[in-house]
Amino acid sequence: DGGITQSPKYLFRKEGQNVTLSCEQNLNHDAMYWYRQDPGQGLRLIYYSQIVNDFQKGDIAEGYSVSREKKESFPLTVTSAQKNPTAFYLCASQGASGNTIYFGEGSWLTVV
Amino acid sequence: RKEVEQDPGPFNVPEGATVAFNCTYSNSASQSFFWYRQDCRKEPKLLMSVYSSGNEDGRFTAQLNRASQYISLLIRDSKLSDSATYLCVAWQTGANNLFFGTGTRLTVIP
Repeated sequence: DGGITQSPKYLFRKEGQNVTLSCEQNLNHDAMYWYRQDPGQGLRLIYYSQIVNDFQKGDIAEGYSVSREKKESFPLTVTSAQKNPTAFYLCASQGASGNTIYFGEGSWLTVV
Repeated sequence: RKEVEQDPGPFNVPEGATVAFNCTYSNSASQSFFWYRQDCRKEPKLLMSVYSSGNEDGRFTAQLNRASQYISLLIRDSKLSDSATYLCVAWQTGANNLFFGTGTRLTVIP
């Protein structure tokens, strides 16, 4: 089936650790996005990539890093510099500009 | 001012009621518009794209008013399963160009 796959669905991180969230899509989409959603809040853009080997900071990039070595993959690393990382993380992709954006099922990250 | 603004609700309506949500956008350069539905602790899923002429999909009708810069979503004959948060999205040409509203929460009551 075509779609976006995020993993893991649930992740617990100790303070001071880096963790990486995986996002893979087989929709042949050029653009990929990472959003963060806190309880009762809207989506906030962390990073986005319009094309392979290129990515741009979103509104809340501090404490996060990404890579886009392949069209299909856009992993997000939550670093120890992110002081409040507990949230719901959503990866998304979009085909031609203006087309529908599709979301993965999300990853729940909790700091313990 | 936020790019996209929605009434957060909550809207509590009885089954069978008609309910309408509005969403305003601040940038007239916005070109494409969408309504997404998000269930609790789930990812947003596309409900409808919004076209200039308005479009209907079963009980759902979306309208775009470019002059006033708002889009609307009308739900007729509400079902319990319609309970969710509805997100309004605007897209503009260029990079970093997707703008989400914070969502309107709907609860349909038996």
